[in-house]
Amino acid sequence: DQQVKQNSPSLSVQEGRISILNCDYTNSMFDYFLWYKKYPAEGPTFLISISSIKDKNEDGRFTVFLNKSAKHLSLHIVPSQPGDSAVYFCAASNYGQNFVFGPGTRLSVLP
Amino acid sequence: DAGVIQSPRHEVTEMGQEVTLRCKPISGHDYLFWYRQTMMRGLELLIYFNNNVPIDDSGMPEDRFSAKMPNASFSTLKIQPSEPRDSAVYFCATRISMRGNEQFFGPGTRLTVL
Repeated sequence: DQQVKQNSPSLSVQEGRISILNCDYTNSMFDYFLWYKKYPAEGPTFLISISSIKDKNEDGRFTVFLNKSAKHLSLHIVPSQPGDSAVYFCAASNYGQNFVFGPGTRLSVLP
Repeated sequence: DAGVIQSPRHEVTEMGQEVTLRCKPISGHDYLFWYRQTMMRGLELLIYFNNNVPIDDSGMPEDRFSAKMPNASFSTLKIQPSEPRDSAVYFCATRISMRGNEQFFGPGTRLTVL
């Protein structure tokens, strides 16, 4: 049973446009959510996070939105750049006791 | 800081052999996590330590898997005996506190069991 789902295995976006990556979760006990980016042959690197008490967190070109009632979060990248091409993982934790990662979405930003 | 260091980066072994993966955490980080990534199951948490003490090993798949953290600078993940289905990329990650902060991942060890 996947507690964190990323239903789009891949996404292609034109450079300069907005990329929207989606994530759904089933466990209402999750209270913290994170996005990681992963390049080939490297470990995941932290991108941005959001606490369940917030509905939006912004850091430069990256914004994460949280809809608790829908158990849904999304990562917006604007404007998208070719260097953003990577696999993006959504992760969730509950009181720091359990970290669950989604299967990832491969983003390709086309020049 | 060199970040999280994992060794070896690649390991090829035969079924039945013992495999030991190593991790050196970032200095000062008091939590250490071991993950496994496969195509079928994605990124799975195997076990994590706090101040060198194992806190949750519920993700360890079988008794063939064991992990230790003898001190704050070193951790091992051992598989004995190894099987072909253990082939995966194993990541070590560390962090300072359990809530609100990100984990820093090592580059991973790609394990192939023939």
